[in-house]
Amino acid sequence: GESVGLHLPTLSVQEGDNSIINCAYSNSASDYFIWYKQESGKGPQFIIDIRSNMDKRQGQRVTVLLNKTVKHLSLQIAATQPGDSAVYFCAENLENTGNQFYFGTGTSLTVIP
Amino acid sequence: GAVVSQHPSRVICKSGTSVKIECRSLDFQATTMFWYRQFPKQSLMLMATSNEGSKATYEQGVEKDKFLINHASLTLSTLTVTSAHPEDSSFYICSARASQTSSEQYFGPGTRLTVT
Repeated sequence: GESVGLHLPTLSVQEGDNSIINCAYSNSASDYFIWYKQESGKGPQFIIDIRSNMDKRQGQRVTVLLNKTVKHLSLQIAATQPGDSAVYFCAENLENTGNQFYFGTGTSLTVIP
Repeated sequence: GAVVSQHPSRVICKSGTSVKIECRSLDFQATTMFWYRQFPKQSLMLMATSNEGSKATYEQGVEKDKFLINHASLTLSTLTVTSAHPEDSSFYICSARASQTSSEQYFGPGTRLTVT
């Protein structure tokens, strides 16, 4: 569940296509998950969240899927736009740690116009 | 609403000096603030959790005497990097939580520290 200092995997998609960004978490006790978007030189920006009692949650152009069996999260972005280019992180909340969030490795998304 | 600011946004200091970074919740009271550091092309790593009026809780491997955290009010937490070295150069980000019962955190824009 703690963040790891690995270099970011990258994903390139054509403008208008759908993007799928994946995240694996390690702690089965985690009960709350958030996807963040981070543009270069800025702080993380909340995109969407999901609790462990749900499998799917939809927002505007984004959908988060949670598979607790394999401890996997995905973020789907529909009709990806150049403004979606950023680094995307999932963060998990460990229920017995006073609500600290730990961040996943992150994925760098580049949208090709 | 729920805006968190950091000051300064960028700072360059010489090796051996100390640098203070401020994190403020502008339109809400933050019972808890978190400090993260982020190296280039890497994830955010939680450094410490700061509760107003009490000592910060540091993550394993983070030196509390090097990274001094003060959460003096419900709208302000400060991180002081003491005797900075080039390896302390990083992007420091704070976040704030409005309620003990809420998991929502609001992030600041980050502070880029460069130690020469």
